[in-house]
Amino acid sequence: AQSVSQHNHHVILSEAASLELGCNYSYGGTVNLFWYVQYPGQHLQLLLKYFSGDPLVKGIKGFEAEFIKSKFSFNLRKPSVQWSDTAEYFCAVSSSFSGGYNKLIFGAGTRLAVHP
Amino acid sequence: DTAVSQTPKYLVTQMGNDKSIKCEQNLGHDTMYWYKQDSKKFLKIMFSYNNKELIINETVPNRFSPKSPDKAHLNLHINSLELGDSAVYFCASSQDKGLAQETQYFGPGTRLLVL
Repeated sequence: AQSVSQHNHHVILSEAASLELGCNYSYGGTVNLFWYVQYPGQHLQLLLKYFSGDPLVKGIKGFEAEFIKSKFSFNLRKPSVQWSDTAEYFCAVSSSFSGGYNKLIFGAGTRLAVHP
Repeated sequence: DTAVSQTPKYLVTQMGNDKSIKCEQNLGHDTMYWYKQDSKKFLKIMFSYNNKELIINETVPNRFSPKSPDKAHLNLHINSLELGDSAVYFCASSQDKGLAQETQYFGPGTRLLVL
């Protein structure tokens, strides 16, 4: 069965520090990869996604992620975090099963706290 | 305008009760989903409907029954609530058939607490 691992459960950074959140998935077939963010008191929002093509994906708010197929990874990066990036970050992978329908599998999430 | 809305936002109830959570999307999407987020923040899919037809039904107790009166609504009814049902329930929608590449848009969540 597919699974998604996010190795860092809690990350604390100072403003302007660089961020990298790890995400690994277990599935040998074609995958579609997503990073969602949940700001305090708000709903899940899409940060970025990868389906095919350039493995380096740019998202909103200066985030990017790199798909490394050989490592089954899709790590999220930001060169300089801001206090407003404080949130919970979820990595997710989707695959098609019979009928071609989507089944989104989420990681456990990483809670990021950015201190001014 | 709220794209995916859920009511209620909070729900506190006693064990054994029956309750419903409602979800509506005004995005014109064809596919809707229910997810459960447990106390450890794991988000797991429960159900998915495409144009009122059930297309994903994960291993969920049959006390949980989704109902889709039209493609803009997907409600979740829970019978005989148990303590373990306490969680945050998220509704989501995606544009077309719920294909793997589609982005899912999430509602604000309903925090259910069973006492």
